Amino acid sequence: EIVLTQSPGTLSLSPGERATLSCRASQSVSSNYLAWYQQKPGQTPRLLIYGASSRATGIPDRFSGSGSGTDFTLTISRLEAEDFAVYYCQQYGSSPRAFGGGTKVEMK
Amino acid sequence: EVQLVESGGGLVQPGGSLKLSCAASGFSFSGSAMHWVRQASGKGLEWVGHIRSKANSYATAYGASVKGRFTISRDDSKKTAYLQMNSLKTEDTAVYYCTSPLASGNGDYWGQGTLVTVSS
Repeated sequence: EIVLTQSPGTLSLSPGERATLSCRASQSVSSNYLAWYQQKPGQTPRLLIYGASSRATGIPDRFSGSGSGTDFTLTISRLEAEDFAVYYCQQYGSSPRAFGGGTKVEMK
Repeated sequence: EVQLVESGGGLVQPGGSLKLSCAASGFSFSGSAMHWVRQASGKGLEWVGHIRSKANSYATAYGASVKGRFTISRDDSKKTAYLQMNSLKTEDTAVYYCTSPLASGNGDYWGQGTLVTVSS
């Protein structure tokens, strides 16, 4: 069973700054099947990135994903007001399809 | 318009059972895997399990915390997925979402969730 560890737990940044979120897997993620989700209060999660680096439909290009094997990164190049939210990674290369614990991006 | 509508949530005592339903419309249900994800209040997302399509032999898989207690099934004729929850514990209290990924991987559908509260 793969365990995903996200860091940091909370990221305090200002609009316009760059956000770098980490997701580390306890073992290699098959075929780099790693997704990133954004969740705002009271809303369902929104898929941002799949396959570690491909943006989902309608996702702005300020969101990018990178990494392979056990280390993955979500980068938001320039934070906008609507980007302050909680972000989760999820591996879907094997079952169980665990989520990471989440990183909260809050306004400084 | 794609819709996933969960129902069946409510209050149940520890040790009890509950069956959730997820009614789908607007996409090819029979060809899609269906997942259940839960979220306790103020906590993170937890993958509960999934059921794959007929073409994939209706294979199921479950998270460690629910394996042996929860069962996922589906009725393609009714475009509905189910989550049978037995031997419920207080820690199963959460909003339960059904979700279905696009075959291409570049998107997914989520329901609005149904609240399950396990309490005496």
